[in-house]
Amino acid sequence: GNSVTQMEGPVTLSEEAFLTINCTYTATGYPSLFWYVQYPGEGLQLLLKATKADDKGSNKGFEATYRKETTSFHLEKGSVQVSDSAVYFCARQNTGNQFYFGTGTSLTVIP
Amino acid sequence: DTGVSQNPRHKITKRGQNVTFRCDPISEHNRLYWYRQTLGQGPEFLTYFQNEAQLEKSRLLSDRFSAERPKGSFSTLEIQRTEQGDSAMYLCASSLEASHLGGYTFGSGTRLTVV
Repeated sequence: GNSVTQMEGPVTLSEEAFLTINCTYTATGYPSLFWYVQYPGEGLQLLLKATKADDKGSNKGFEATYRKETTSFHLEKGSVQVSDSAVYFCARQNTGNQFYFGTGTSLTVIP
Repeated sequence: DTGVSQNPRHKITKRGQNVTFRCDPISEHNRLYWYRQTLGQGPEFLTYFQNEAQLEKSRLLSDRFSAERPKGSFSTLEIQRTEQGDSAMYLCASSLEASHLGGYTFGSGTRLTVV
C-alpha cells in the first residue's frame, strides 16, 4: 500500500529539549518523503523533503534522513523553541500526484 | 501573489443544504488539488486538475461532490445534500507541473460544519 505511520501525540517538551517524531512508510515503489507543519490557524507548510534513499532534508533546524533499510523518515531537532509548537505531518508521494499523509503529531513546547 | 486563497474560511450549514467552496491558486501554477482533513487525521486526497482538466478523483469523492476548474485558474468544490460526515477542513493546494514533487503550496482551508 501507500501508507505512512507516524508516532501518536500529543508531545509536550520543554524549551531546548531534543525532539524526535517517528515516521515509517510502506516500501511500495520509490516514494519521495516529506514533513509538513501546520501552525495554529494556518495551512500546511512544507518543512523539508527527501527524494531518494540516504538523502537528508533539513530546514529551520529540523532534519530527517530517508532510510530505506528501516523504511523510516524520522524528524529531529536538537533544541526546540516555543515557536515550534504545531502539528507535524509525515507524507509520501509516489510518481503520481497524490500525497499520503500520516495522522499528524501535535507538539507543544513549554517555556 | 499572496499564495493559495480559499473562501470562505468557515462555513456552517444545515444537513441537506448545498455548499460551494472556492480556491484561487498561485497564478502561474497549472495544477490544483483538493484534500479533505478530518479532526485528528492527515489530509486525504480528493481530486486534482491540470489546467481545466480533472485528471484524478479519489473514491472519497462521492457523487454528491463535484469540482470544477472552468478556465484553468480558480476552482470550486460543491457538496450537494450535505451530511454530518462531510464536516471537515477542505484544503486546496497548487503546484507547477514541473515541480510537483513537494512543490505544493496549500491554502489555509475552508472549515465546514454540518449541523
